[in-house]
Amino acid sequence: GEDVEQSLFLSVREGDSSVINCTYTDSSSTYLYWYKQEPGAGLQLLTYIFSNMDMKQDQRLTVLLNKKDKHLSLRIADTQTGDSAIYFCAETAINTGFQKLVFGTGTRLLVSP
Amino acid sequence: DTGVSQDPRHKITKRGQNVTFRCDPISEHNRLYWYRQTLGQGPEFLTYFQNEAQLEKSRLLSDRFSAERPKGSFSTLEIQRTEQGDSAMYLCASSSNRESSYEQYFGPGTRLTVT
Repeated sequence: GEDVEQSLFLSVREGDSSVINCTYTDSSSTYLYWYKQEPGAGLQLLTYIFSNMDMKQDQRLTVLLNKKDKHLSLRIADTQTGDSAIYFCAETAINTGFQKLVFGTGTRLLVSP
Repeated sequence: DTGVSQDPRHKITKRGQNVTFRCDPISEHNRLYWYRQTLGQGPEFLTYFQNEAQLEKSRLLSDRFSAERPKGSFSTLEIQRTEQGDSAMYLCASSSNRESSYEQYFGPGTRLTVT
């Protein structure tokens, strides 16, 4: 079955780059997602990547995928205090018709001024 | 496009009572999902609908839980005889059935507290 793991906490200074890491287990064709959750709120879809890609860039966000190690990372350039939130990695696989998201436990990012 | 909406945003109920939550998906999204998120954890899949058909249910969805989407638009999630362990955030998401569209957009959630 699918399993997604993330480190629990990351602290950076404003203006630095943040790198949030995730490992997943499913080896079939899969989509991998990054969501952001602010306190008391729902989840905001930031970006996603299909498993046949190595990298995707979208403004300050860069997603890197290492299929061999089943490792996904999210890099946030020029991190701002407004980026403080919990970031969830999630995957969905072809054997579920890409319909069931499996989430990690989330990484809490704290950005200090 | 107004996004996914959920009602109520917060619900406090006594153990043993029944509760019902509503989700309105993004208009013209034909897929609708329910997830449950407990404190400090990521969301866990409960069930999903394509139009009015409920296509998959998680083992987490015990007999006390029922979800409906009668007209293929809004959905309701009912919990009967609530237990303290049901306290969680209940999240709804929707997605389009356009080919290669696998983006799920989430609502703000309904936070349930069972006392």
